[in-house]
Formats: sequence, structure tokens, C-alpha cells
Amino acid sequence: AQTVTQSQPEMSVQEAETVTLSCTYDTSESDYYLFWYKQPPSRQMILVIRQEAYKQQNATENRFSVNFQKAAKSFSLKISDSQLGDAAMYFCAYRSPTNSGNTPLVFGKGTRLSVIA
Amino acid sequence: NAGVTQTPKFRVLKTGQSMTLLCAQDMNHEYMYWYRQDPGMGLRLIHYSVGEGTTAKGEVPDGYNVSRLKKQNFLLGLESAAPSQTSVYFCASSYRGFHTDTQYFGPGTRLTVL
Repeated sequence: AQTVTQSQPEMSVQEAETVTLSCTYDTSESDYYLFWYKQPPSRQMILVIRQEAYKQQNATENRFSVNFQKAAKSFSLKISDSQLGDAAMYFCAYRSPTNSGNTPLVFGKGTRLSVIA
Repeated sequence: NAGVTQTPKFRVLKTGQSMTLLCAQDMNHEYMYWYRQDPGMGLRLIHYSVGEGTTAKGEVPDGYNVSRLKKQNFLLGLESAAPSQTSVYFCASSYRGFHTDTQYFGPGTRLTVL
């Protein structure tokens, strides 16, 4: 079974600075998807960024980017120019390819990010 | 287009009571999921469904039952609530497609069992 590990329960960053959240995973599959979800105090789960394992290029969405290291099974999230609204719990998640019949997400335990003004 | 909605948003039960959580999606998604979120545990899969009339167990299915009688609805039932089921419950849905796999989440239901 796949597992996802987030080794940083809490992180903090100064406003306008850059922070990197770590995620590692364990799988024997060669093709899969990786995600970062943001959960603000409202509890809503918001998709931040996704990465397909077959793509070597790291995904980028505005101030959010990932460092995907397939051989090392590492998937870190970098937040640039941090804003107060970035304060939230961040979850790393793994998903097998849909056509394998195993579709649910496997989540890490989360990293709580605080942004200091 | 409401996306994924959950009913109710909050509920308090006494031990032994039963209740049903309703998840509805208007995106014509084939797949639907129920997760629970506990402090320090992340989200864990309870049950999921890959289509109308089909359900499957997830990581933590004990004490829960589900039904998918209509494509747009996925019900989660607690027959005899226990304090260990105090949690926040999230429903999610997604298309069935190799490259269209993003899951869309509902706003969550906070359940307290006394």
C-alpha cells in the first residue's frame, strides 16, 4: 500500500519570504499523481497544485511550485512571496492511475503553516 | 453549479444514536468518496463508490455504511454512533478518466458523539 509522509508538523514563514514544505511517499507503481491541498480555517479543501509522475517538468501555479524527485520519491511544495492568506494546513496526497481501479487519495498527516506579518 | 455539497454541516449525537450524512454533487462525476479527518491524522478514506449502485471499503470502514442509489448522491450512515466517530467528515467526487482525476471536496460535516 502507498504511504505519504509529511515530516514537518508545523512551519512558519515571514510574509514575502519563501518556504518549502516536504513530502515523501512510498509506492511500487511507476505512474501516479501527486497533489498538494490547502485547508484554511474554513475547513474547505482547496487543490493547490498537481503533478503527474510521467511528466519530468515540475508543476507551477503562480507563487506555488513543486520539486518532484521521482527516484527519491520526494514531492516538496515551495511557496514564494508568502502572504497572510497562505496560512493553513497543507496536505500532500498520492493517487494511483484511475484505470488501475484504485482511485482514492492517500493523504499525509499535514503541515500547519503560519505566516508572520 | 454548486459543486459538492454536504448535509448537515454540524451535528451532535448521543452514543448509540444513528444518523445519515448526505453528499450531493452536480458535476456528473462517476466516483465519490467519504473521508474522515482527525487531529494529527490527516484524511482517511472510509468508503468510496466508482458508480451508481457500487461501493467499496476504504481504510477505516468499521461502524459505517454507505449507499449510492443515485449517481449524484452518496450517503454515509452511522447505525450506532460511538465517541470514536467524533470527527470531521468530507465527501469528494471525481470523474473517471486517466488524466481527469482531480477530486473536488465538499465543505465538511463536523460530528460530535457524546
